[in-house]
Amino acid sequence: DIQMTQSPSSLSASVGDRVTITCRASQGIGNYLAWYQQKPGKVPKLLIYGASTLQSGVPSRFSGSGSGTDFTLTISSLQPEDVATYYCQKYNSAPRPFGQGTKVEIK
Amino acid sequence: EVQLVQSGAEVKKPGESLKISCQGSGYSFTSYWIAWVRQMPGTGLEWMGIIYPGDSDMRYSPSFQGQVTISADKSSNTAYLQWSSLKASDTAMYYCARSDPQLHYWGQGTLVTVSS
Repeated sequence: DIQMTQSPSSLSASVGDRVTITCRASQGIGNYLAWYQQKPGKVPKLLIYGASTLQSGVPSRFSGSGSGTDFTLTISSLQPEDVATYYCQKYNSAPRPFGQGTKVEIK
Repeated sequence: EVQLVQSGAEVKKPGESLKISCQGSGYSFTSYWIAWVRQMPGTGLEWMGIIYPGDSDMRYSPSFQGQVTISADKSSNTAYLQWSSLKASDTAMYYCARSDPQLHYWGQGTLVTVSS
C-alpha cells in the first residue's frame, strides 16, 4: 500500500512568513491529493483537492502544487488564525491514508 | 445543505460491543461514498475505510480490516461503524465524512471512551 510522509512534523514561524509543508507518496498518485486543516478541538476542514484546487471559501494565501509523488502546501503569509495541524491525503484508490500531520505554530 | 450528523459520545467497558452512526441529509445519500476516520487522543487522522451506500460496497484500511465493521442503511440515510469487542486502545474520536472523493463534508465526530 502507498504511504504518505509529511515534513516537517512541526514548525514555528512568524506572522507574515511564507510556510511550506511537503508531502511525499511512496508511489505515484497523479494529482489525487488533498490537504486538510485541523484547528485544536475542531473538525478537519478541506483546503485543497486535486493537488492544487483551492476549496471554495479558503483564503488565497493557501496554495498547493505537485503531482506524482511530491506535493507542497504553501501559506504565502502566515496569519494567527492559521495555527493548526495540516494533513495531506491521497484519494486515487483505497486505502486512502493521511500523512502524519504538520503542526504549525506562531513564533 | 449537506449535513452529516453523528451519534453521541459513548463510554464503554473493554469487551463490550458498540455501533455508532452517521446520518446524511441534503444530498443523495446513495450516490457518495462515506468514509470513517479515527483520531486517537493527541494523534493524527487515520483513514479506516469507506462504504458506498448505494450497494454497500466497502473498502477497509489493512490496519482496521477485521477490527471494525462498516455498514449502511439506505432507508434511513445512515452509515455505521461497529465493534464486536472493544479494547481500551479503541478510545478515540471517530469522524464520518462524505468522500467526493476528497473529504469535503464531515460529521461532528463521536467520542468513544473505553475504560474499565
